[in-house]
Amino acid sequence: EPEVTQTPSHQVTQMGQEVILRCVPISNHLYFYWYRQILGQKVEFLVSFYNNEISEKSEIFDDQFSVERPDGSNFTLKIRSTKLEDSAMYFCASSEGLGRDNYNEQFFGPGTRLTVL
Amino acid sequence: GESVGLHLPTLSVQEGDNSIINCAYSNSASDYFIWYKQESGKGPQFIIDIRSNMDKRQGQRVTVLLNKTVKHLSLQIAATQPGDSAVYFCAERSSASKIIFGSGTRLSIRP
Repeated sequence: EPEVTQTPSHQVTQMGQEVILRCVPISNHLYFYWYRQILGQKVEFLVSFYNNEISEKSEIFDDQFSVERPDGSNFTLKIRSTKLEDSAMYFCASSEGLGRDNYNEQFFGPGTRLTVL
Repeated sequence: GESVGLHLPTLSVQEGDNSIINCAYSNSASDYFIWYKQESGKGPQFIIDIRSNMDKRQGQRVTVLLNKTVKHLSLQIAATQPGDSAVYFCAERSSASKIIFGSGTRLSIRP
């Protein structure tokens, strides 16, 4: 069964460093997403991406964050200068479409745990 | 605003009994409501969804009920099994590409 994959599973970085989290969405999917989950808290939407541009982003997704689809398979989240409060689990998701008349299921990857020291 | 260190409510159920997990949502304009299951160390996994113009939808061993009057959503799991142990999140689709997750409930199964 096709699945979303993410690398690395755990990333440790120093405050102020740049990190790139990588995702390989399901191959025929067209919409891509990033979410984060701070330990013990709810999952929070960061950004959605379609046709090589951001569709929607939350207030969390400030200028320190960027997303890119550098090739036909990868989808990346970059944090330019990490802060302690960026420590969280970051989930990538993908869906076939948006499903305006129905809900198009978003398939989530296993997550990357980011620890900022 | 967000609460730091949010403590998850826990539901403990005897194996074989039915489980009912409840959720309150906030946005009357949301068109879809979704239940996700999150097992330890994994990403959220879709269980079932319901459109806002419905009040009940059934899947395999699961039923979702939507009460728009009081903005309440519930997930019923029939004949709960050990593999049902997880954190369950309700979520709402607030716009075409944005899903807002609710606070989770941890379901634990007693043998």
